[in-house]
Amino acid sequence: SQQGEEDPQALSIQEGENATMNCSYKTSINNLQWYRQNSGRGLVHLILIRSNEREKHSGRLRVTLDTSKKSSSLLITASRAADTASYFCAPSGTYKYIFGTGTRLKVLA
Amino acid sequence: DVKVTQSSRYLVKRTGEKVFLECVQDMDHENMFWYRQDPGLGLRLIYFSYDVKMKEKGDIPEGYSVSREKKERFSLILESASTNQTSMYLCASDPGPTGNTIYFGEGSWLTVV
Repeated sequence: SQQGEEDPQALSIQEGENATMNCSYKTSINNLQWYRQNSGRGLVHLILIRSNEREKHSGRLRVTLDTSKKSSSLLITASRAADTASYFCAPSGTYKYIFGTGTRLKVLA
Repeated sequence: DVKVTQSSRYLVKRTGEKVFLECVQDMDHENMFWYRQDPGLGLRLIYFSYDVKMKEKGDIPEGYSVSREKKERFSLILESASTNQTSMYLCASDPGPTGNTIYFGEGSWLTVV
């Protein structure tokens, strides 16, 4: 299965702190994507990292990928209350995307 | 911007009713997906389609069917709704064939009473 497993399940931090969440998967992949979901809404794409990349940045987001360990991490720097959401990883090796249960991030003002 | 539109945001249906959830995307995407999302269970793939009239079962297809007669439209059908199908349903699409950004609709909250 291509399912990603996010860790921790929940994370609570103060505004301005950094938030790190992790993703593990079991099979080889072509790329891995991270998504955000605000409460009761659809998922929104954040960033895609290809299997031959080790690190990628987008604004306050930094994603790393270690294919030897089959893991990825998402770092949100200088977090804001608006970052409060659930975050999902989606490893992909086929056209079928399987999502885990996500990390629920709460940023306290 | 890519837009994935789910026809109903909130629905309440009775047990045994036939329910149609409609999804339309406006970017000529090849792949379309239906997920359901329940607390503690994450997103679970029901069905996906990689071309018109082509479909494949996901992880939880029981009790559901799908229809893709036109490229832009992917319908999820509950033949006989049951209370355990109360959930949020998410439609998504991507350009195909693999490894692309997935675009999600806003979700349809279905309550079966």
